[in-house]
Amino acid sequence: GESVGLHLPTLSVQEGDNSIINCAYSNSASDYFIWYKQESGKGPQFIIDIRSNMDKRQGQRVTVLLNKTVKHLSLQIAATQPGDSAVYFCAENINTGNQFYFGTGTSLTVIP
Amino acid sequence: NAGVTQTPKFRILKIGQSMTLQCAQDMNHNYMYWYRQDPGMGLKLIYYSVGAGITDKGEVPNGYNVSRSTTEDFPLRLELAAPSQTSVYFCASSYSPGTGVEKLFFGSGTQLSVL
Repeated sequence: GESVGLHLPTLSVQEGDNSIINCAYSNSASDYFIWYKQESGKGPQFIIDIRSNMDKRQGQRVTVLLNKTVKHLSLQIAATQPGDSAVYFCAENINTGNQFYFGTGTSLTVIP
Repeated sequence: NAGVTQTPKFRILKIGQSMTLQCAQDMNHNYMYWYRQDPGMGLKLIYYSVGAGITDKGEVPNGYNVSRSTTEDFPLRLELAAPSQTSVYFCASSYSPGTGVEKLFFGSGTQLSVL
């Protein structure tokens, strides 16, 4: 299967700071990407998605950036809050196929 | 809407036992998936279905079986449980308009231990 890798397995930030979580993908045919948040003991929760015809997409306090040239995806969280502490996964979909491939995740810890 | 509902939440099996993990969704999604998540790892796709009566293997299908007799339900069957199947299992669903998948909605998971 395809691999989706994350640059940093853990990230600690101070409350109120901005967080940036990175993700590298290996397949240039990937055309749809999703960021998920997973809190301890829960299922992954959708945060934001982006298609390959876009470079940037913004949500509430979150922004996803897509750089197709270097096959890199990032999730920016503004004014990080304690409730943002979780594991964040990126997932890629290839050629509008039926499967998503998930990375191993980055654990974000927000320090009060 | 309840979304994606998984039962049971926890289960301990002995080696060689069988069980079925239940998954139901009430969003009228045509696509359904089963993933497993090992500690500190990402999600690996076991099986998926694009509609009632249609199932396909994912990345790690060995030791599992599925069926999709209705749009709502997608049970996962373990026939001969092995310690390697100790994991957390997530069911997910999505709506596909026919031009590729949309975002996945996940259940809360089933934590399975095989001893």
